[in-house]
Amino acid sequence: KAGVTQTPRYLIKTRGQQVTLSCSPISGHRSVSWYQQTPGQGLQFLFEYFSETQRNKGNFPGRFSGRQFSNSRSEMNVSTLELGDSALYLCASSGPLGGELFFGEGSRLTVL
Amino acid sequence: GDSVTQMEGPVTLSEEAFLTINCTYTATGYPSLFWYVQYPGEGLQLLLKATKADDKGSNKGFEATYRKETTSFHLEKGSVQVSDSAVYFCALTYLNAGGTSYGKLTFGQGTILTVHP
Repeated sequence: KAGVTQTPRYLIKTRGQQVTLSCSPISGHRSVSWYQQTPGQGLQFLFEYFSETQRNKGNFPGRFSGRQFSNSRSEMNVSTLELGDSALYLCASSGPLGGELFFGEGSRLTVL
Repeated sequence: GDSVTQMEGPVTLSEEAFLTINCTYTATGYPSLFWYVQYPGEGLQLLLKATKADDKGSNKGFEATYRKETTSFHLEKGSVQVSDSAVYFCALTYLNAGGTSYGKLTFGQGTILTVHP
């Protein structure tokens, strides 16, 4: 079956702009999580959505937000971009046995 | 809070060499432990897992044993191949009674492995 799909794969923005990233989970998976990966901080958990509700949240400022649609697809938004937001943003989905996360290839955001 | 510490890399080995990547953790409860692998240009893939003390996870020739007494989950492989070159991440999470982690894994910083022919 198809894996986790993230779009766009690469994007370049300037400081102060906002960005929206999209994630389509594996069919049948209702949980979608987002992570930020940077060389300095490594992989950090942003938030998790299940059945259109945010169930868990990491320690990121309010500029980072997300949502989930009824078909389990998810989007994350970063407003007022800063240079430090440059990162690989990874989406992961999980099924009924939620311990294992299945990751997409990521969206690489560069902020200039 | 919880944390995961991996041995500093990068690690460079010749093909067929023995591999050990150390991983230790600090946890307030009884976590489940994972090893994920990230190949160049790809997302993370689950390599193996262990959900309780003394469990051994294994996959593709890789093994790791959940050692509660030493809070460790070291990754080993007896004979590495060039195709094993990747970044390896140790991670922990807590599973509820239903086996759900609520999406949150705490990752180590990753260890870059390069295997030469």
